[in-house]
Amino acid sequence: QQQVKQSPQSLIVQKGGISIINCAYENTAFDYFPWYQQFPGKGPALLIAIRPDVSEKKEGRFTISFNKSAKQFSLHIMDSQPGDSATYFCAASESENAGNMLTFGGGTRLMVKP
Amino acid sequence: EAQVTQNPRYLITVTGKKLTVTCSQNMNHEYMSWYRQDPGLGLRQIYYSMNVEVTDKGDVPEGYKVSRKEKRNFPLILESPSPNQTSLYFCASSLRLASYEQYFGPGTRLTVT
Repeated sequence: QQQVKQSPQSLIVQKGGISIINCAYENTAFDYFPWYQQFPGKGPALLIAIRPDVSEKKEGRFTISFNKSAKQFSLHIMDSQPGDSATYFCAASESENAGNMLTFGGGTRLMVKP
Repeated sequence: EAQVTQNPRYLITVTGKKLTVTCSQNMNHEYMSWYRQDPGLGLRQIYYSMNVEVTDKGDVPEGYKVSRKEKRNFPLILESPSPNQTSLYFCASSLRLASYEQYFGPGTRLTVT
């Protein structure tokens, strides 16, 4: 049973469009929400992260929106580019968790068409 | 170059034949972890280590062992591999417990027949 549910599983967007990936969680103790980007043949790499004291965080074309009451957060990629084609994972963690364990969503494979 | 390395990158083996996947990091990180990645399930933590000689189970530890004798190395051991352990494995490290950015290795694709 996944504690973090991610949708959609796959996404095709035209170049210049907006890519939106959504995640929902159940554990209210989660207080750190990163997004990881993974290119084929590579390990995941941290893209952007948010803590629940803010509702939005923006870094370049990437924005995380966070809705604490709905227990949902999403990644928006503005002006999507073919180079953004990758698999994206949302994740969540508890600060008090001694194991520093990240709970990952199932992943979204994004394809940006030229 | 700061990195996490894993070996081998690809491995095909038979049921029951013990194997070890090595992981090494050159960033002096205290925290290291092993994940397996399966389609639709994301990454699931197998074991983690907060420092030398300190290891603990993650979400899916059954069938796996680890050891942390040196700070830089964190090998994953499958004593008796089974086909359900066919997966893509990632080692990760981070600077300290309070630092959540984890640096992942390139992955090891394991097939157990």
